[in-house]
Amino acid sequence: AQTVTQSQPEMSVQEAETVTLSCTYDTSESDYYLFWYKQPPSRQMILVIRQEAYKQQNATENRFSVNFQKAAKSFSLKISDSQLGDAAMYFCAYRSANTGNQFYFGTGTSLTVIP
Amino acid sequence: ETGVTQSPTHLIKTRGQQVTLRCSSQSGHNTVSWYQQALGQGPQFIFQYYREEENGRGNFPPRFSGLQFPNYSSELNVNALELDDSALYLCASSLSRSGRKETQYFGPGTRLLVL
Repeated sequence: AQTVTQSQPEMSVQEAETVTLSCTYDTSESDYYLFWYKQPPSRQMILVIRQEAYKQQNATENRFSVNFQKAAKSFSLKISDSQLGDAAMYFCAYRSANTGNQFYFGTGTSLTVIP
Repeated sequence: ETGVTQSPTHLIKTRGQQVTLRCSSQSGHNTVSWYQQALGQGPQFIFQYYREEENGRGNFPPRFSGLQFPNYSSELNVNALELDDSALYLCASSLSRSGRKETQYFGPGTRLLVL
């Protein structure tokens, strides 16, 4: 089974600064999707950004961007110009493009934004 | 567009009882997945339903069962509740089309406490 590892249980960032959340994964597949989800205290899991493994270009969504290193099996999330509303648990997730239907989630990183 | 909804929001049961959790998929979605999220952990895949049939299952015992209805809403049933079943249960819906796996969108979850 695939595994997803988030080695930073907690991170903090000053408002307006930049922070990078780390994620590594283990798979023998070549075609897959990677995601970052945000879970605020309200509990609803919100999609932040998605990356297809076959695309070399890193995905970006406004202030959110990823650094996808396929050979290293690394998928970090960079949040620029951090805002108070960015405070949440962030989960990295993996999904095969060909086999199985489930998402594999990491254990999450709790992000605090300091005013 | 209607998002994913779940009911109830909170539930308290005693060990040995049975529980049914409900999920309404996002409009236009035909696939629903259920996840268990223990406190401080990432979501763990329970199973997925597509066109009213189970379409993948994680490492959960048979006392976890589900249904998907013609309108694509879904139920998660757990029999013989155990203390370790206490968790946040998340439902996620997506639109599955031939050869393409779509992003999952999550509901707000049901918090189950087993005493």
